[in-house]
Amino acid sequence: KAGVTQTPRYLIKTRGQQVTLSCSPISGHRSVSWYQQTPGQGLQFLFEYFSETQRNKGNFPGRFSGRQFSNSRSEMNVSTLELGDSALYLCASSLRVQGYVYGYTFGSGTRLTVV
Amino acid sequence: AQSVTQLDSHVSVSEGTPVLLRCNYSSSYSPSLFWYVQHPNKGLQLLLKYTSAATLVKGINGFEAEFKKSETSFHLTKPSAHMSDAAEYFCVVSDDMRFGAGTRLTVKP
Repeated sequence: KAGVTQTPRYLIKTRGQQVTLSCSPISGHRSVSWYQQTPGQGLQFLFEYFSETQRNKGNFPGRFSGRQFSNSRSEMNVSTLELGDSALYLCASSLRVQGYVYGYTFGSGTRLTVV
Repeated sequence: AQSVTQLDSHVSVSEGTPVLLRCNYSSSYSPSLFWYVQHPNKGLQLLLKYTSAATLVKGINGFEAEFKKSETSFHLTKPSAHMSDAAEYFCVVSDDMRFGAGTRLTVKP
């Protein structure tokens, strides 16, 4: 079966712009989580969506937002980009049944560079 | 609240010697725990997971981890390191997928 697909793989944006990243989970997985990975801060949890609802949220400013569609695909949006937003953004899909998580499968990530 | 602490930011071993990567967690209930590996310029791959069944969990590539509730630990081990094991390893706790800071494993020839 197909894995988790993130698009685009690479992105270069200018400060002040906004960006939208996309994640298509494994078929049947309704939970999608987003992470930011930087050398300085490591892997930080952004948010999780389940059945089109934000289930959990990390400590990021409101410039970071997301949504999930009825087909479980998710998008993450960052507005008013800052240099510090340069990072690898990872998406993970999981099968969540009655609150139990059966593990997460990660995509290859989108590398965002803000100049 | 849950948290996870990886006790070593960097571990260096010689090829053929044992590997020990340490992870401690805190949780108000019995958590699910995971170890992930990330090779350079690659995505995260699940090594193994503990979900309250057997306390000794076997994963891929010869890795295993033991859940010790009394010590709140979930250390990752491998009897004999291989050059291909050089990577970043992450311990992750349960429901909200909090990642540890990671341990970089270096394997010397």
